[in-house]
Amino acid sequence: DVKVTQSSRYLVKRTGEKVFLECVQDMDHENMFWYRQDPGLGLRLIYFSYDVKMKEKGDIPEGYSVSREKKERFSLILESASTNQTSMYLCASSLRRGAGLAAYEQYFGPGTRLTVT
Amino acid sequence: EDKVVQSPLSLVVHEGDTVTLNCSYEVTNFRSLLWYKQEKKAPTFLFMLTSSGIEKKSGRLSSILDKKELSSILNITATQTGDSAIYLCAVQGAGNNRKLIWGLGTSLAVNP
Repeated sequence: DVKVTQSSRYLVKRTGEKVFLECVQDMDHENMFWYRQDPGLGLRLIYFSYDVKMKEKGDIPEGYSVSREKKERFSLILESASTNQTSMYLCASSLRRGAGLAAYEQYFGPGTRLTVT
Repeated sequence: EDKVVQSPLSLVVHEGDTVTLNCSYEVTNFRSLLWYKQEKKAPTFLFMLTSSGIEKKSGRLSSILDKKELSSILNITATQTGDSAIYLCAVQGAGNNRKLIWGLGTSLAVNP
């Protein structure tokens, strides 16, 4: 079974703090993703990575950065947390297929509910 | 702009009812459509559909893709309270084949 774990289930931080959210997968997946999920807005992609040290912006990268130093670990960083970053953060991973082929399904971690006060 | 629209947004049924959830898409160079179930935590994968007209089935859940109509349906028969969840639809399009375009989901509540 694929296992994706996230460092915290619940996190409370103050405005202006630097926040690290960690995600680890144990299935040797090439692709890893960070989403945030808000009521009425659905899942929105923040960043993804298709290889170690490689990253691409998703739909809402502003205010976030990422790091992938090892294949199994993908970190999301909020450089200076703000109240509008209060959300559920979900990490996912998937295998990578060749170009032109349907993607493999994404497997999700349990999520981190972040509150910024 | 690529988009995925799910309907209805929410649904309340009684145990034993059959429900049909809809997902329509406008995505450049469609490759696959995926269904997920999300209870209180992370989404869990249900089905991936790539070919039109071929039904995927798992227990009381089934899904089919219609590429002509640019849509998919997810059927749940003999619903149970454990089916209460948000059902998410996602589509993979052209270009970067690693990204999925997500619908907002259908919130299903099954009452005893």
